[in-house]
Amino acid sequence: QSALTQPASVSGSPGQSITISCTGTSSDIGSYNYVSWYQQHPGKAPKLMIYAVSNRPSGVSNRFSGSKSGNTASLTISGLQAEDEADYHCASYTSTSLYVFGPGTKVTVL
Amino acid sequence: EVQLVQSGAEVKKPGESLRISCMGSGYSFTGYWIAWVRQMPGKGLQCVGVIYPGDSGTTYSPSFQGRVTLSVDKSISTAYLQWGSLNASDTAIYYCARRYMNAFDLWGQGTVVSVSS
Repeated sequence: QSALTQPASVSGSPGQSITISCTGTSSDIGSYNYVSWYQQHPGKAPKLMIYAVSNRPSGVSNRFSGSKSGNTASLTISGLQAEDEADYHCASYTSTSLYVFGPGTKVTVL
Repeated sequence: EVQLVQSGAEVKKPGESLRISCMGSGYSFTGYWIAWVRQMPGKGLQCVGVIYPGDSGTTYSPSFQGRVTLSVDKSISTAYLQWGSLNASDTAIYYCARRYMNAFDLWGQGTVVSVSS
């Protein structure tokens, strides 16, 4: 199973909105509404931000939102804040009953 | 508190065996799948495999099949990831994570595994 594709980096100024894309195939993102997104600060474990394409776990800010179209999913962070600077990983359930991740996108707050 | 607590960092030589652990607490351990996820230095996340503590059912990623073994001891709410013979390419941080709605909502703190001669 090949990894999902994400941009290496995305940046934005405080208060702006940014969007991170995550492209897969018809064997993963295209076939299942089980895309999830994780935030990872340096030296820390990943934290679930979005599950099932667009659902936020309790406690996650509503500035984070997810969507999907075809084989591509997206994470949007609105009202960018300094604390949002981190790596963001997407993941999808696959036809092999396992999970594939993207390489991660580094978000920089300018 | 709902948490997954992993065993401490390991330093090993190529060819040695290793078992690391992940203990769940604060929730019904047998009711949720547990995944193991590898993060090599400076890289993204990779799913090693998943195990269901209720019946020890497992699914391995093809990249890890035959090289690692997942197991669980329900009596102490602990999942394990085991290698029979390590090599340098196994150097990474390994996380356990609880599966919920085909996502991973609870993560352990990670176990650093270093393999070097």
